[in-house]
Amino acid sequence: EIVLTQSPGTVSLSPGERATLSCRASQSISSTYLAWYQQKPGQAPRLLIYGASSRATGIPDRFSVSGSGTDFTLTISRLEPEDFAVYYCQQYGSSPPTFGQGTKVEIK
Amino acid sequence: QVQLQESGPGLVKPSGTLSLTCEVSGGSISSANWWSWVRQPPGKGLEWIGEINYSGSTNYNPSLKSRVTISVDKSKNQFSLKVTSVTAADTAVYYCARGGLLALSDYWGQGTLVTVSS
Repeated sequence: EIVLTQSPGTVSLSPGERATLSCRASQSISSTYLAWYQQKPGQAPRLLIYGASSRATGIPDRFSVSGSGTDFTLTISRLEPEDFAVYYCQQYGSSPPTFGQGTKVEIK
Repeated sequence: QVQLQESGPGLVKPSGTLSLTCEVSGGSISSANWWSWVRQPPGKGLEWIGEINYSGSTNYNPSLKSRVTISVDKSKNQFSLKVTSVTAADTAVYYCARGGLLALSDYWGQGTLVTVSS
């Protein structure tokens, strides 16, 4: 199976700062089948971005993704208070679909 | 707007069978290709369990395949999960979602905590 490794495990930032989250795959994956989710305590994962750069409904444009092959990055350009959460990347192009272990974005 | 809702016992005894149902509303289960189960142990990450389509075809995570069965009931617009021979390691929040392998998981249920304990 494809292993996704996210880094850092935890990042401490202040509102207004830029967050850069990494997702590295154990083998090359198509960006078509890469998704990013946000999860807050006690809630289900919420789809943020999928495919090369498509934002889900209602997701603001401060969220963007880049990368290809084995290295992908989720960028939050200016953190808002509601953005502090855990973020997961997922590949769903190879069986079984797998998730990264998550990056927690916490308030500094 | 598609909505999913998990239901089932919150406590299962070791060596028993975990059974959950996901009711789909706001759309027909036959309208989308695949429907999945994903679980999350307390404080840990997400694990894909398996998927089913409206015709009953399934795909399972090899790590759980020997213990998992996913079924669909189109007449009730729902699909179900069974995990046999459970241990404490199966304690998790279980989510159902629309999507799976090659299909984006865009709608998720709120999740239900299942604890394996005597």
